[in-house]
Amino acid sequence: QSVLTQPPSASGTPGQRVTISCSGSNSNIGNNYVYWFQQVPGTAPQLLIYKDNQRPSGVPDRFSGSRSGTSASLAISGLRSEDEGDYYCASSDDSLRGVVFGGGTQLTVL
Amino acid sequence: EVQLVQSGAEVKKPGESLKISCKGSGYTFTDNWIAWVRQMPGKGLEWMGTIYPGDSDTRYSPSFQGQVTISADRSTTTAYLHWSSLKASDTAMYFCARSEYALNGDFDYWGQGTQVTVSS
Repeated sequence: QSVLTQPPSASGTPGQRVTISCSGSNSNIGNNYVYWFQQVPGTAPQLLIYKDNQRPSGVPDRFSGSRSGTSASLAISGLRSEDEGDYYCASSDDSLRGVVFGGGTQLTVL
Repeated sequence: EVQLVQSGAEVKKPGESLKISCKGSGYTFTDNWIAWVRQMPGKGLEWMGTIYPGDSDTRYSPSFQGQVTISADRSTTTAYLHWSSLKASDTAMYFCARSEYALNGDFDYWGQGTQVTVSS
């Protein structure tokens, strides 16, 4: 069972906007930055969002992140077929003194 | 160009030892942390621990403390993950990842992964 809670699946049609939630506690999301990763099956994860809402160069502005209280969310607008994959949130946990991940959300583009 | 290149797939028997590697290039190896992340078959990502090659400061997840050893060689810009006695439950894909901070989760570059299979 993961420290951060994500829905196991999400879906949308091309062009739609989807959001993926990530719920934690005061020891992690409530007090630390959130990071989002995309993993296409069979490949390594890639950083999508850092420090809650910043995009690395090369990541389209269709991807956006936010954090409020002990929850965070990733929004993908203008959904495209190549967005299919698994999405993970991560944060630091002060009690565990380490990095914690969400269980991952499998995104399907219908 | 920043690159993390991991060693190849391994097939081992229970009780055997193993060390896998992650070679960094394209940046100053001693200026960033290198973490190891496990992904068991069909499962999510788990942070195992991290090392700062600059001074070998190492942090472990409580779940992996005592189960593995993380090390780094500054001269070859390579980080390592070592098991002294493998179990079948160690079967997984293992990724290395670079970060600026020890415990933030800010993994900006990842290795391609090393598949470890432990079977009798």
